[in-house]
Amino acid sequence: EAQVTQNPRYLITVTGKKLTVTCSQNMNHEYMSWYRQDPGLGLRQIYYSMNVEVTDKGDVPEGYKVSRKEKRNFPLILESPSPNQTSLYFCASSHPSYGLYEQYFGPGTRLTVT
Amino acid sequence: GESVGLHLPTLSVQEGDNSIINCAYSNSASDYFIWYKQESGKGPQFIIDIRSNMDKRQGQRVTVLLNKTVKHLSLQIAATQPGDSAVYFCAEGVGTSYGKLTFGQGTILTVHP
Repeated sequence: EAQVTQNPRYLITVTGKKLTVTCSQNMNHEYMSWYRQDPGLGLRQIYYSMNVEVTDKGDVPEGYKVSRKEKRNFPLILESPSPNQTSLYFCASSHPSYGLYEQYFGPGTRLTVT
Repeated sequence: GESVGLHLPTLSVQEGDNSIINCAYSNSASDYFIWYKQESGKGPQFIIDIRSNMDKRQGQRVTVLLNKTVKHLSLQIAATQPGDSAVYFCAEGVGTSYGKLTFGQGTILTVHP
């Protein structure tokens, strides 16, 4: 089944404790992206990657890091999480040749930072 | 499900009616416009997109209209069904060489049987 998977689905952590949210897709998509979703604010793009070793900032990159060492994986790293990073996070992927904006989203990761 | 619709515009329709969801975009440089649907507890799902060189595009039961003069985008859903109940987001992008995508706040559509 073609899908985007995220782990963990739920995470409660404390301020300053480094964490990584993994994202993996099995559709051989070049493009991957991370978004956060907060009530009333819609989805805001954190980082995106057009291909392996190519990443760029979205609208809200502060406090986040990403890496793209393999096509299928695009982990989101929070080096020192803070309470304002409490949010619902989505990973997405697409095949730019067929439709960059026809993005497939993962099920989401609910992160709470206390 | 998780609350993502705090103070969002809402549209309530009866099953079988046509629905029109509106969106204003801000970036004059945007040349791709996309609609996504998000059901409660799920990630967004692509519905349809339109390039700036088009005014209208039709899909299965959906039509997107683009008015670049007033920077306005709309999604029309024909014969709305209870399964169409969701939050609908418009989004805008620039070209296909970049990957930056900006979403609107969303509209909650509720379809009553």
